[in-house]
Amino acid sequence: DQQVKQNSPSLSVQEGRISILNCDYTNSMFDYFLWYKKYPAEGPTFLISISSIKDKNEDGRFTVFLNKSAKHLSLHIVPSQPGDSAVYFCAASALGGSQGNLIFGKGTKLSVKP
Amino acid sequence: DSGVTQTPKHLITATGQRVTLRCSPRSGDLSVYWYQQSLDQGLQFLIQYYNGEERAKGNILERFSAQQFPDLHSELNLSSLELGDSALYFCASSARDRGGEKLFFGSGTQLSVL
Repeated sequence: DQQVKQNSPSLSVQEGRISILNCDYTNSMFDYFLWYKKYPAEGPTFLISISSIKDKNEDGRFTVFLNKSAKHLSLHIVPSQPGDSAVYFCAASALGGSQGNLIFGKGTKLSVKP
Repeated sequence: DSGVTQTPKHLITATGQRVTLRCSPRSGDLSVYWYQQSLDQGLQFLIQYYNGEERAKGNILERFSAQQFPDLHSELNLSSLELGDSALYFCASSARDRGGEKLFFGSGTQLSVL
């Protein structure tokens, strides 16, 4: 049973517009959430994280929103750029992020068109 | 460059064979994690080592084993290989800051079992 779900395998957005990537989780013990970005032939790289004590975290063009009651988080990219085209993985962990064995979703492939 | 080194980048072998994947963590990182990414699957956590000791175990098959050496590099051994073991295998090391623990991934070893 998947504990972290990314229901959209792909997303296509025009350059300059907003990209919204969604993630749902089932385990109420999760209290730390991260987004990783992966380019082809490279390993995933950390993008942004959020603790369950917050409902929003912003870093430049990237903002992550957490809705604990709905067990849902989303990543907003504004404005989207062609270089943002990659696979985005949502990940979660329990125990205040002290475990590195993150549970990952299957990823969403974002394509930003010029 | 994440600072995590994985070798080899590609490995082609036959069913029933045994292979060893190697990982060197970032300088100063004591933890090493192994993940498997199969086609259409997210990253599946296999196993974690911390300073030479096994710390956590995920969905790792009994045919697979790992170890971490005194110099902190790690090896993942895959034996009696099956076609379904074909996947991208990532190693990661971790760093912790105020926000929690973050993984830094290597670029992976692509294993093809023919």
